[in-house]
Amino acid sequence: EPEVTQTPSHQVTQMGQEVILRCVPISNHLYFYWYRQILGQKVEFLVSFYNNEISEKSEIFDDQFSVERPDGSNFTLKIRSTKLEDSAMYFCASRTSGLQETQYFGPGTRLLVL
Amino acid sequence: QKEVEQDPGPLSVPEGAIVSLNCTYSNSAFQYFMWYRQYSRKGPELLMYTYSSGNKEDGRFTAQVDKSSKYISLFIRDSQPSDSATYLCAMRGTAGNQFYFGTGTSLTVIP
Repeated sequence: EPEVTQTPSHQVTQMGQEVILRCVPISNHLYFYWYRQILGQKVEFLVSFYNNEISEKSEIFDDQFSVERPDGSNFTLKIRSTKLEDSAMYFCASRTSGLQETQYFGPGTRLLVL
Repeated sequence: QKEVEQDPGPLSVPEGAIVSLNCTYSNSAFQYFMWYRQYSRKGPELLMYTYSSGNKEDGRFTAQVDKSSKYISLFIRDSQPSDSATYLCAMRGTAGNQFYFGTGTSLTVIP
């Protein structure tokens, strides 16, 4: 069964450094998402991406964040100048087109900013 | 007011019990409703997906949507220790791509 994959599974970085989180969505999916989940808290929407551009973003997704689909398979989240409060699980999700299609999540990347 | 409200629990039940998990929401535009299961330190896994009001059954799981009350439920029959996880409700409307999540309910099924 096809699935969303994410790399790395864990990332430790120093405050102020840049990190890139990678996702490979399910191959026939057209909508891509990034979510964040701080330990013990709810899943928070960051951004959705369709047709090579951002379609929606939350207040969390400020200038520190960017997304890119550099090729036909990868979908990346870049966090510039990481802060301690960026420590969280980051989940990628994807779905096909159509209103009745739901999204499928990857296993997540655990980011720790020291 | 939060878009989606969900009692975080924790909820602890004996094996074999019927579990009822609930979410309320404020946005009447929501049409698509989902339940995800999340094991510790893992990604959410889709359990049930329903459109508009009504019931949907899949094995031991039943999802109910009552749009008039803006209330959705997930019932788990004959609960098993392997059902111990956090259950997230999520929903979306017909416009936009954003999905709105509840905070999740932590469930423990005791053998």
